[in-house]
Order: sequence, then structure tokens, then C-alpha cells
Amino acid sequence: EIVLTQSPGTLSLSPGERATLSCRASQSVSSSFLAWYQQKPGQTPRLLIYATSSRATGIPDRFSGSGSGTDFTLSISRLEPEDFAVYYCQLYDNDSSLFTFGPGTKVDIK
Amino acid sequence: EVQLVQSGAEVRKPGESLKISCKASGYRFSIYWIGWVRQMPGKGLEWLGIIYPGDSETIYSPSFEGQVTISADKSINTAYLQWSSLKASDTAMYYCARRSNYYDILTGDYARYMDVWGKGTTVTVSS
Repeated sequence: EIVLTQSPGTLSLSPGERATLSCRASQSVSSSFLAWYQQKPGQTPRLLIYATSSRATGIPDRFSGSGSGTDFTLSISRLEPEDFAVYYCQLYDNDSSLFTFGPGTKVDIK
Repeated sequence: EVQLVQSGAEVRKPGESLKISCKASGYRFSIYWIGWVRQMPGKGLEWLGIIYPGDSETIYSPSFEGQVTISADKSINTAYLQWSSLKASDTAMYYCARRSNYYDILTGDYARYMDVWGKGTTVTVSS
């Protein structure tokens, strides 16, 4: 079973700053199988990035994804007030057909 | 419009059974996998399992196998999550979500992610 870790657990930043969130897999995975979601309190998770670097429909270009192998990154170039939320990475294991989520990174206002 | 509409909040006692639903519209239900995700109060997302409505093939996360049952009725475009004997620890928000069928030309793989989510069903189990 592939395990995902996310770091940091909490990221305290000010609006306008750049956020860099990390997601690490316990073994190498296809870039097609890594996605990122945003969740605000009381709301449904929202797809941000799929296949490591493709933005979902309607997602602003300040969000970008990158990475390969075991290390993946979600970057937010300039934080807007509405970006303060929890971010989860998700991985699909092609051998078991299982999905798994990382524990999440909370981006809060400094 | 593609959407997943989940059934309303439920309150049950420990030991009771429960079945919650997720009704799809706006797309061909039988050819997209539907997954279920749990979120306990104040915690992260946990993936329970997934079903292919076309033939009801179901895959469970090892952590949830035997704890829940996932089913689907393609004649009414609806997926279900059920418990035969609830525990207080089942108290959570449960989301259904559709697995994408997007083909990634760059890698030659189908990209795997959940592209459409229901709004969630709150399940409270308390004596």
C-alpha cells in the first residue's frame, strides 16, 4: 500500500505571499495518478489539479502543480484571501485500484 | 449539468442499520466509477471504496472492507453506502464522488482523480 505524506502540516502565510506545499509518496507513481484538492470549512472538497500539473476547470492560474516519481508540489503564486484552506493530495494505485489521500496541509493566515 | 445529489442528514443509534444514497445526473452513470469518502469531525479525507455501476464491481479500501457495503442501481442512476450495525465511530460526513475517465495523452495513461463531488451526507450515531 502506497502511503502519502504532506508537509508542512500547517503553513502560516500572509495574503500575497507564495505557498509551496509538498506531497511525498512511499514509492514512485505515475504523474497521471496524482491530484490536489482544496477544502474550506464546511465545504465539499474541490478539485484543483489532476495528473500532477493540469488545472481543473475554473481554477485560477496562480495554482500550479509539479513533480514526478515520489515528490510532488502544489504552488500558489500569490495567496488570495479565499485560498486559506486545507489542501489534500490524492494518489491512485494502479496495481490495487485504490485511492489514498494525504493527511492534508492547512494554509492559514499569519 | 453533471451532478451528484446525496441524501439528507441521518441520526441513528448504535447497532442500527443505515443506507445513504448518491443520485447522479447529467452523464452516463453506468460507465463512470463512483467512490465514497469519509471525513470524521475535524479530520482529513479517507477513501472507503469505489463501484462501477455498469457491472457493480466494487473495490474497498482494506481499512473499510467488511465495515461498509457499497452498491449501485444503474436503473435509477444511484449509488449507495450502507452499514448493517452502526457504531459511534461511524459519525462523520460521507461524500460520494465520480472518478474521471480522462485520458492523459502525454503519459498514455488514464488520469485518475475524482472530478465531481456530492455535497455530503452527515451521519450521526449516538445513543
